[in-house]
Amino acid sequence: KAGVTQTPRYLIKTRGQQVTLSCSPISGHRSVSWYQQTPGQGLQFLFEYFSETQRNKGNFPGRFSGRQFSNSRSEMNVSTLELGDSALYLCASSRRDRGLVPFFGPGTRLTVL
Amino acid sequence: KNQVEQSPQSLIILEGKNCTLQCNYTVSPFSNLRWYKQDTGRGPVSLTIMTFSENTKSNGRYTATLDADTKQSSLHITASQLSDSASYICVVSGWAGNNRKLIWGLGTSLAVNP
Repeated sequence: KAGVTQTPRYLIKTRGQQVTLSCSPISGHRSVSWYQQTPGQGLQFLFEYFSETQRNKGNFPGRFSGRQFSNSRSEMNVSTLELGDSALYLCASSRRDRGLVPFFGPGTRLTVL
Repeated sequence: KNQVEQSPQSLIILEGKNCTLQCNYTVSPFSNLRWYKQDTGRGPVSLTIMTFSENTKSNGRYTATLDADTKQSSLHITASQLSDSASYICVVSGWAGNNRKLIWGLGTSLAVNP
């Protein structure tokens, strides 16, 4: 069974640009969550999607958005990038009937210059 | 307030030695607790998951314990190897209203030296 895949793996952008990250969940998983991870901050929850609907949202500004497609694949978008957005962005998929226990992808390393 | 606290923040041990990492939580109601291992620059990988009724669970050289009364968990690593160098993260699943929530610890950074 293939794991969670994320593309791209690495990305370099400049301030003010926007970026779109993609995530394909494990087959059969309909819940997709996104996290931001920076040194010293741990995993910060961005949002969770289930059946194309946002079910939970963390405390991030509106520049961070996401969506989920009918095949459960998900994208997140960050507009007007800031230097502080440099981080590892992790996508995780899960089955809600298994206690929301997530399986993570390898992450996208975003660097904002 | 739902919280997960891990200690120590970082740890350095010699190859072959054992170590124990701690996780204390105040998440209520509690659903399950999971330990993840995260190599640098990679996504976390699940090591163990424990529910309320489980006291101990092993995965190779990794043994997790859970005391639901004191709300404490530990991860014991036996005969450490260089490849054990990673961040170990504790996450507790609980409820916030009608929504199931995951509360993440900040992790313990483990370095295993030769």
